[in-house]
Amino acid sequence: GEQVEQLPSILRVQEGSSASINCTYENSASNYFPWYKQEPGENPKLIIDIRSNMERKQTQGLIVLLDKKAKRFSLHITDTQPGDSAMYFCAASRGQVVGQLTFGRGTRLQVYA
Amino acid sequence: EAAVTQSPRSKVAVTGGKVTLSCHQTNNHDYMYWYRQDTGHGLRLIHYSYVADSTEKGDIPDGYKASRPSQENFSLILELASLSQTAVYFCASRDRYEQYFGPGTRLTVL
Repeated sequence: GEQVEQLPSILRVQEGSSASINCTYENSASNYFPWYKQEPGENPKLIIDIRSNMERKQTQGLIVLLDKKAKRFSLHITDTQPGDSAMYFCAASRGQVVGQLTFGRGTRLQVYA
Repeated sequence: EAAVTQSPRSKVAVTGGKVTLSCHQTNNHDYMYWYRQDTGHGLRLIHYSYVADSTEKGDIPDGYKASRPSQENFSLILELASLSQTAVYFCASRDRYEQYFGPGTRLTVL
């Protein structure tokens, strides 16, 4: 199948600390891995993505790591702020069909003071 | 920025009734998608289309039909709505990589 497992489902971190979300995928041909943030009542929005020709990508306090051998990728949010509280979804392309994505079930991140 | 709109934004339907959800994009994207979102399930693909007048089944197409009459418009049709179809529905369009989601339609079937 084309399952994407995402853990944890709920993550509580103190403001200023780091938060990490991990995803695994099944299809070794997957080559595109986006991360979406969804605030309550809003639509998912792309925050960062990585393609299979990279192992690491960083932008504005977000780091994505990709381990193709282990079929694992992760999102790391550094110096978390209350505004980072939201649902986060990872996704993986279905083989090399970039537009077809399989989503993880989501992680609810709660940043507390 | 990509513009994807959906209508209605919320709807209450009766079991066995017909429901049509509409999506409109102004980005000239070829690919469009319909997803449903349920708590604990993330986003699941119902139907998608890569060209007008053609639609493809996604992972959970049962109980849904789709229509793409033009590049800009993509509809999701529930011919006989059921309680299990209560969910939030998102439409999306795609450029080369990124999918742009509409604001969603909250459907409640009673």
